[in-house]
Amino acid sequence: GAVVSQHPSRVICKSGTSVKIECRSLDFQATTMFWYRQFPKQSLMLMATSNEGSKATYEQGVEKDKFLINHASLTLSTLTVTSAHPEDSSFYICSAPKGPYTDTQYFGPGTRLTVL
Amino acid sequence: DAKTTQPPSMDCAEGRAANLPCNHSTISGNEYVYWYRQIHSQGPQYIIHGLKNNETNEMASLIITEDRKSSTLILPHATLRDTAVYYCIVRGSARQLTFGSGTQLTVLP
Repeated sequence: GAVVSQHPSRVICKSGTSVKIECRSLDFQATTMFWYRQFPKQSLMLMATSNEGSKATYEQGVEKDKFLINHASLTLSTLTVTSAHPEDSSFYICSAPKGPYTDTQYFGPGTRLTVL
Repeated sequence: DAKTTQPPSMDCAEGRAANLPCNHSTISGNEYVYWYRQIHSQGPQYIIHGLKNNETNEMASLIITEDRKSSTLILPHATLRDTAVYYCIVRGSARQLTFGSGTQLTVLP
């Protein structure tokens, strides 16, 4: 199967700081990537769709100015949580379909963000 | 995308087949059934998908009823490492996946 990596795997930061999470497709190119968030004991919730070379599209209720997404290349999308607060503490997961003609998604291992 | 219904939890004895049901009675003709699983604190893992025919791969089998209103994921010989939350997802034209609450499968020694 395809491989998607995320970095860092875990991060702890102080309230008010910004945190950047990277999502890379290691053995394929991804013009589209997806960012999800998962709170404890809950399911994954789609936050936004990251599009290479264009603006991300955000799901309803997700603040685009708080969760900045940049898809600068065909193998890298970044999610920056700006001015993080304790309620942003969550498990952030990215995914990508392997190619434009397949819809099977491959997920990264996730990033655990804890905001103190 | 059609909504799915899954039991919240199931147990299975190690070495036995695990049969996980999913109801998707409002599925439409061009929607696929996908199964993913999530082991605790990891990203979801793709298992299998199908449209109408039964499918099998090295991980599992997917049985879809003729009317396509329900399906069953079969893990033929469950191991302790198969303990996870299993998600049944019906996906149409949109590329993103909508996750429900899934089934927590616990494989017992």
